[in-house]
Amino acid sequence: GAVVSQHPSRVICKSGTSVKIECRSLDFQATTMFWYRQFPKKSLMLMATSNEGSKATYEQGVEKDKFLINHASLTLSTLTVTSAHPEDSSFYICSARRGTGGEMLYEKLFFGSGTQLSVL
Amino acid sequence: DAKTTQPPSMDCAEGRAANLPCNHSTISGNEYVYWYRQIHSQGPQYIIHGLKNNETNEMASLIITEDRKSSTLILPHATLRDTAVYYCIVKSNSGGSNYKLTFGKGTLLTVNP
Repeated sequence: GAVVSQHPSRVICKSGTSVKIECRSLDFQATTMFWYRQFPKKSLMLMATSNEGSKATYEQGVEKDKFLINHASLTLSTLTVTSAHPEDSSFYICSARRGTGGEMLYEKLFFGSGTQLSVL
Repeated sequence: DAKTTQPPSMDCAEGRAANLPCNHSTISGNEYVYWYRQIHSQGPQYIIHGLKNNETNEMASLIITEDRKSSTLILPHATLRDTAVYYCIVKSNSGGSNYKLTFGKGTLLTVNP
């Protein structure tokens, strides 16, 4: 099956630094990728939708200047947490949509293995 | 998207069938029932989906009631590796701007030895 690679799997950083998380679709082209955040024992919360070659669409309450998303190619999207603070510590997960067209086939949505971010 | 209701947790003995229920009484005619699962500290994984008919694949079976107001995911022979949170999601495939997957709280299935 299709594989989505997310890197790093775990990162620890100091408060005030920036952290970049990469999401790659390894064997398919992904025009649309999604970024989620998950706090302990909570469900996934969609942060933003990233379309290749255009600006990301952020969900309400998500600061676009804080969480920078770049989707410069059909196989790579990055999420940069800028000036990270302890409250940004969370599990970040990306997903990639295989295929294009108006019909959204959710069985064609593949998820990365997640990145655990810890901000000290 | 139609709202779904799932029990917060269930237990199952290893080797036995796990039957996970989901209520979606407000489902509309063009909405599919999707099941995903999330093993601890991993990303979600697609399991199965269906519209009206029962479906089976290598991972599970999906039974949808005739009125489509509820469904059951069946793992025929649960193993310890099936311990995960299982999400039932109802979505239309029509896309447009509403193609976001919204995850509820799901059911934590614990498979016991």
